[in-house]
Amino acid sequence: GAVVSQHPSRVICKSGTSVKIECRSLDFQATTMFWYRQFPKKSLMLMATSNEGSKATYEQGVEKDKFLINHASLTLSTLTVTSAHPEDSSFYICSARGRVTYNSPLHFGNGTRLTVT
Amino acid sequence: DAKTTQPNSMESNEEEPVHLPCNHSTISGTDYIHWYRQLPSQGPEYVIHGLTSNVNNRMASLAIAEDRKSSTLILHRATLRDAAVYYCILRDGDRDDKIIFGKGTRLHILP
Repeated sequence: GAVVSQHPSRVICKSGTSVKIECRSLDFQATTMFWYRQFPKKSLMLMATSNEGSKATYEQGVEKDKFLINHASLTLSTLTVTSAHPEDSSFYICSARGRVTYNSPLHFGNGTRLTVT
Repeated sequence: DAKTTQPNSMESNEEEPVHLPCNHSTISGTDYIHWYRQLPSQGPEYVIHGLTSNVNNRMASLAIAEDRKSSTLILHRATLRDAAVYYCILRDGDRDDKIIFGKGTRLHILP
């Protein structure tokens, strides 16, 4: 089945630094990728949608200058948390969809647990 | 977005069938019913989806009410590894919709 790889799985950084999270589709071309964040015991919250070669569309309340998304190729999207603060600590998850019908299932990465100290 | 309603949590005994309900009374004609589950500390995984007819795959079965206002995910023989949060989601088959997750049902499996 389709595989989405997310890296790193876990990262600890200091306040004020930036962290990049990678999301790769390993065996299909991902025309659309979605980024979510999840707090403990809560559901996933959609942050943004990115289509290959175009600017990401951010959900209301998500700061685009804080969470930089780049979807430069059909197999790679990156999320950069800039000037991270402790409140940015969360579980970040990407998902990807290929060039099939809109109704096709999404494939998810295994998430990145970010801890900002 | 059409919304779904699920119980917050359910319990089941190991090796017994589990029926996870989902209400979606405002479902539209082009909405597909999708189920995903999320195991602890992992990303969600696709379970099953359907439109009108009942569906079976190696993971589960999906029973859809005749009026499509509710559906039930059936795990035929629960194992401890099925303990997860199960999300019932509607997706419009004619549109490039993002997936919005509700609160889901946390399924506990008792050994």
